[in-house]
Amino acid sequence: GAVVSQHPSWVICKSGTSVKIECRSLDFQATTMFWYRQFPKQSLMLMATSNEGSKATYEQGVEKDKFLINHASLTLSTLTVTSAHPEDSSFYICSARGGRDRSSGNTIYFGEGSWLTVV
Amino acid sequence: LAKTTQPISMDSYEGQEVNITCSHNNIATNDYITWYQQFPSQGPRFIIQGYKTKVTNEVASLFIPADRKSSTLSLPRVSLSDTAVYYCLVGDEGSTLGRLYFGRGTQLTVWP
Repeated sequence: GAVVSQHPSWVICKSGTSVKIECRSLDFQATTMFWYRQFPKQSLMLMATSNEGSKATYEQGVEKDKFLINHASLTLSTLTVTSAHPEDSSFYICSARGGRDRSSGNTIYFGEGSWLTVV
Repeated sequence: LAKTTQPISMDSYEGQEVNITCSHNNIATNDYITWYQQFPSQGPRFIIQGYKTKVTNEVASLFIPADRKSSTLSLPRVSLSDTAVYYCLVGDEGSTLGRLYFGRGTQLTVWP
């Protein structure tokens, strides 16, 4: 199956600072990527849809000025958590739809996830 | 988007076959059914996807009745490493472009 990679796997930052998480599709082009967050023992919550070359679409209740998304190329989307606070500590996961390659089809593939801890 | 209902948890023993059923009464004509597996602190891993009848791959089978209002993920001869959360999702990936809304999933625990 297709491969989606995230970096970093985990990060610790001080309250008030910003942190960037990268999501890359390694063997296919992804015009659309998605960002989720997951708290311990809970399910994944969709945050936003990242569109290559255009603005991201945010789910209701997600602050677009706090969670900045940039989809600069067909293989890279970044999520920047601005002015992070302890309540932003969570597991952030990206996904991409393998729509352009026959082998990937319409399946959604997820990255390994990134743990963010704000202290 | 169709809502799904799964058992919150299931227990099994090594070597047994496990069947997890998911209800999706409001599934639309264009919706596919996809199952994912998630281990702690990892992203979900694609298991299997189907539209109707039966689909089988190297790790699982997916049974979908004619009315498509439910589906059953079948894991043959589970092992301890199959302990994970399993999510059933339905969606028209063409129109929703991959926006997936996860339910609570099923925590499968395999005992020795």
